[in-house]
Amino acid sequence: QSVLTQPPSVSGAPGQRVTISCTGSSSNIGAGYDVHWYQQLPGTAPKLLIFANSNRPSGVPDRFSGSKSATSASLAITGLQAGDEADYYCQSYDSSLSWVFGGGTKLTVL
Amino acid sequence: EVQLVESGGGLVQPGGSLRLSCAASGFTFSNNWMHWVRQGPGKGLVWVSRIDSDASTTRYADSVKGRFTIFRDNAKNTLYLQMNSLRAEDTAVYYCARAGEGGTAYTFDIWGQGTMVTVSS
Repeated sequence: QSVLTQPPSVSGAPGQRVTISCTGSSSNIGAGYDVHWYQQLPGTAPKLLIFANSNRPSGVPDRFSGSKSATSASLAITGLQAGDEADYYCQSYDSSLSWVFGGGTKLTVL
Repeated sequence: EVQLVESGGGLVQPGGSLRLSCAASGFTFSNNWMHWVRQGPGKGLVWVSRIDSDASTTRYADSVKGRFTIFRDNAKNTLYLQMNSLRAEDTAVYYCARAGEGGTAYTFDIWGQGTMVTVSS
């Protein structure tokens, strides 16, 4: 049982837009801690995709965007491509002095 | 190139011990907090432990507290995880990850390729 809640899977056709939600609580996202997103392509290590709710590291396409409000956050991917098929994880910090992840969302490009 | 390379994984019996290493290169290792994150087979990411830049403070997930020890050698640019009293549920790929700096200090901005630990008799 992960501290942050994500849908297990989402899907979309090439070119479409999908969103992945991440729900926390008053001890993590709701306490004001930032949300970060990671992309894990099959068989590889995770890669930082979005940091501090809505910022992209250099090299990440602007098709990826993030937002945060109250106790939740969202990752949006526009112009879906086959290469976006991966697992996506949200992450934040918790008042229990621990770093917490969502359970992960598998994105399938139809 | 900024890089983290883990080693030391393998097969160990329940109750046994293992030490993982993570060699850092391409950045000033002593400037960054460092973490261990694990991923069980077919499962999600789970934070394990964190050490600050000068090793003065460490933090652990409840599931490993008292069994695992994180430490670092800044002269050797290497992060370690000593794992004792291993259990079947510790079976996972273990990643070392660098914490970002400044406003990104609570992210994991660079990851190693991971090393597999299997606890089984």
